[in-house]
Amino acid sequence: AQSVTQLDSQVPVFEEAPVELRCNYSSSVSVYLFWYVQYPNQGLQLLLKYLSGSTLVKGINGFEAEFNKSQTSFHLRKPSVHISDTAEYFCAVRVTDKLIFGTGTRLQVFP
Amino acid sequence: EAGVAQSPRYKIIEKRQSVAFWCNPISGHATLYWYQQILGQGPKLLIQFQNNGVVDDSQLPKDRFSAERLKGVDSTLKIQPAKLEDSAVYLCASSFDREDQYFGAGTRLSVL
Repeated sequence: AQSVTQLDSQVPVFEEAPVELRCNYSSSVSVYLFWYVQYPNQGLQLLLKYLSGSTLVKGINGFEAEFNKSQTSFHLRKPSVHISDTAEYFCAVRVTDKLIFGTGTRLQVFP
Repeated sequence: EAGVAQSPRYKIIEKRQSVAFWCNPISGHATLYWYQQILGQGPKLLIQFQNNGVVDDSQLPKDRFSAERLKGVDSTLKIQPAKLEDSAVYLCASSFDREDQYFGAGTRLSVL
């Protein structure tokens, strides 16, 4: 069965520091991977997705993620975070057209 | 382009009461999803519609939850009777091509 593991429930970081949010998946079929962001009291917004092709995917707000098939990972990175990046981040795998989400990582950016 | 609209944004009820949530998807999106997001967890799919037909309701607790999309546009999710463990955010999402999903802001339900 397909599943997603987000290893860190919370990641505190200072403004302008780099950050990496970790995501590992398990799937027996071809994978389509997503990162969503959820700001307080809002719905989920798509940050980026990997469907095929280049393993380095660039998304909105300066985020990028790298698909690593051998390590079954899809970690999210940003070289310099802002206070406004404080939010919950969800990694997801799509199976047919259904999304299976991880438990989320709360990114807290401090001034 | 208007996004996915959901109402109400918040609802507080007592256990054993009934509650209904409404969702209006993005215009032209044939696929509509309802998710349940319990605090500290990722969203979990409850039901998926394609136009006015159900594609997948395998995770819907059918003894108390029901959903409909009669005209293939907006949708209603109902819980009757509610239990304490139903406290969650209920998210609606829609998709044009069954690939990218667009989410509404959700309805936060508190069952006391």
